[in-house]
Amino acid sequence: QITLKESGPTLVKPTQTLTLTCTFSGFSLSTSGVGVGWIRQPPGKALEWLALIYWDDDKRYSPSLKSRLTITKDTSKNQVVLTMTNMDPVDTATYYCAHLYSGYLDRVFDYWGQGTLVTVSS
Amino acid sequence: AIRMTQSPSSFSASTGDRVTITCRASQGISSYLAWYQQKPGKAPKLLIYAASTLQSGVPSRFSGSGSGTDFTLTISCLQSEDFATYYCQQYYSYPHAFGPGTKVDIK
Repeated sequence: QITLKESGPTLVKPTQTLTLTCTFSGFSLSTSGVGVGWIRQPPGKALEWLALIYWDDDKRYSPSLKSRLTITKDTSKNQVVLTMTNMDPVDTATYYCAHLYSGYLDRVFDYWGQGTLVTVSS
Repeated sequence: AIRMTQSPSSFSASTGDRVTITCRASQGISSYLAWYQQKPGKAPKLLIYAASTLQSGVPSRFSGSGSGTDFTLTISCLQSEDFATYYCQQYYSYPHAFGPGTKVDIK
């Protein structure tokens, strides 16, 4: 059974760096084809794709946020970490991590964490 | 980057209705499209991928079609548990953008 859970601060100040951890079970990020992604959703708004890391350490970022994002993995701990620098109130959102299903050519999120609400405020 | 649009942005429907939601990509994405359902306060749930492949466990009243730039999600007979917001997502090229969502509420 695949599960994921996000953890990190619920409140950060403007200009600070946000560090979120996704702890998962039921799969290994050392298995070929496996990936974990981060998605966020501001209150009342749409989903926004942020970043993705694959088993082979291939990393993909949203171009609009690439300069502020870093995604890393710790295979031994079954964790993926997302850092976002220079936080702003517009970054207030629920942040989700999700397991990437990699079929033949498919790259979709089939398991999601519950999400964690991060508020940016002084 | 590929931009996704959805129509309508919201609408009201009754249980038993047949509903169709449209998703359009700003450029061709073949069949690299997924649909998700999200209920308030919950994480999204994968419904369909590869434009028309039903995710395991998803009721058969959900179906998807389309390729290239135009796609549809159809719910053949709306049930009470289907009132939610639906998002399309392309995974043809990075970033794998989501659409703005379509909210289906009770008439």
